[in-house]
Amino acid sequence: GAGVSQSPRYKVAKRGQDVALRCDPISGHVSLFWYQQALGQGPEFLTYFQNEAQLDKSGLPSDRFFAERPEGSVSTLKIQRTQQEDSAVYLCASSLAGGDEQYFGPGTRLTVT
Amino acid sequence: GENVEQHPSTLSVQEGDSAVIKCTYSDSASNYFPWYKQELGKRPQLIIDIRSNVGEKKDQRIAVTLNKTAKHFSLHITETQPEDSAVYFCAARGSGNTPLVFGKGTRLSVIA
Repeated sequence: GAGVSQSPRYKVAKRGQDVALRCDPISGHVSLFWYQQALGQGPEFLTYFQNEAQLDKSGLPSDRFFAERPEGSVSTLKIQRTQQEDSAVYLCASSLAGGDEQYFGPGTRLTVT
Repeated sequence: GENVEQHPSTLSVQEGDSAVIKCTYSDSASNYFPWYKQELGKRPQLIIDIRSNVGEKKDQRIAVTLNKTAKHFSLHITETQPEDSAVYFCAARGSGNTPLVFGKGTRLSVIA
């Protein structure tokens, strides 16, 4: 079956621009997670959805970051007024329920110039 | 919150030898410990996981051991092959809606 997909795979933004990153989880997966992975580091948690409810957004680094999952399936991570320090790979993961057995998408590599 | 330390950061082994990667965690309430393999430019892939009610789990050439008392867990790869070369991440997660906390990764190189 289809795995987690993300788009775009690569995004270059000028400093100050807004970006929107999309995640399509595995069909039927209730839980969806966003992570940020800096070069040479492990993924760091940003936010978590169970169906359409955002249950934890403690990892979002600033109020410029916003995520939604309005129908409990596709999710969008939006970054407003991008800064150079936002450059990273943004990974999405989904799991059947809860936070065990998370399956990752290929990520979106964001470069802010 | 949870803190996961992973070592070594790099590991080189000869093809056919074993590789061991170790992780420690800080939160005694953590009860789920997955390992991910990430090849360059690719997504992290779940390769094995263990829950706190068991001490060891095996899947062909890979195994994970867990010592809850000492709060550490290890990944063992036997009969390594060049295609095992990648970055490996350990992670830990508590109960409820707590997130996965990852280690910084180990770059494994298997030399043919």
